[in-house]
Amino acid sequence: KQEVTQIPAALSVPEGENLVLNCSFTDSAIYNLQWFRQDPGKGLTSLLLIQSSQREQTSGRLNASLDKSSGRSTLYIAASQPGDSATYLCAVLLNTGRRALTFGSGTRLQVQP
Amino acid sequence: NAGVTQTPKFQVLKTGQSMTLQCAQDMNHEYMSWYRQDPGMGLRLIHYSVGAGITDQGEVPNGYNVSRSTTEDFPLRLLSAAPSQTSVYFCASSYSPPGPLYEQYFGPGTRLTVT
Repeated sequence: KQEVTQIPAALSVPEGENLVLNCSFTDSAIYNLQWFRQDPGKGLTSLLLIQSSQREQTSGRLNASLDKSSGRSTLYIAASQPGDSATYLCAVLLNTGRRALTFGSGTRLQVQP
Repeated sequence: NAGVTQTPKFQVLKTGQSMTLQCAQDMNHEYMSWYRQDPGMGLRLIHYSVGAGITDQGEVPNGYNVSRSTTEDFPLRLLSAAPSQTSVYFCASSYSPPGPLYEQYFGPGTRLTVT
């Protein structure tokens, strides 16, 4: 059974810092990995999708990497801002079975002004 | 495009009541799914559908029914609500079958409380 773990569970940093969020998964038979942002009481916003054949994807200040063989992904946020405060979820899409997303429990990020 | 829409946004039920959570998408996506999110946990799959007329169970299907009569709509029915079903429910859709290129798009969620 695929398990997804995110470390740390919570993170508080001062504005302007660069930071890294970690995601690990146990089954490498994946189609892709998605990083989502969730604001309190809101839905999920897709940030980046990395296909299993790719190593990284970039969008603005965000960079996500994928190492499928070791079952790891990182989300790098450059020059963090208070508006980045949210919970960040990673999810993997298996290429077998139900082909549904398996989610980690998230990293709650607080960027202090 | 409205994307994925869900109604209602909030609902309070008494134990034993039944209700239907509505989900619709206007992106012509074949694949639709329902997840629930509980505090401190990631989202868990309840049911999913790969197209009209085809549904299947996810990780936590007990207490829920689904049907898919059209491509656009995928309602989730709670047959006899229990306090353990207090959660936030998200509907999602994507092209089918889900594949390397396909993002999943999520609705805004329905917050359900069962007393």
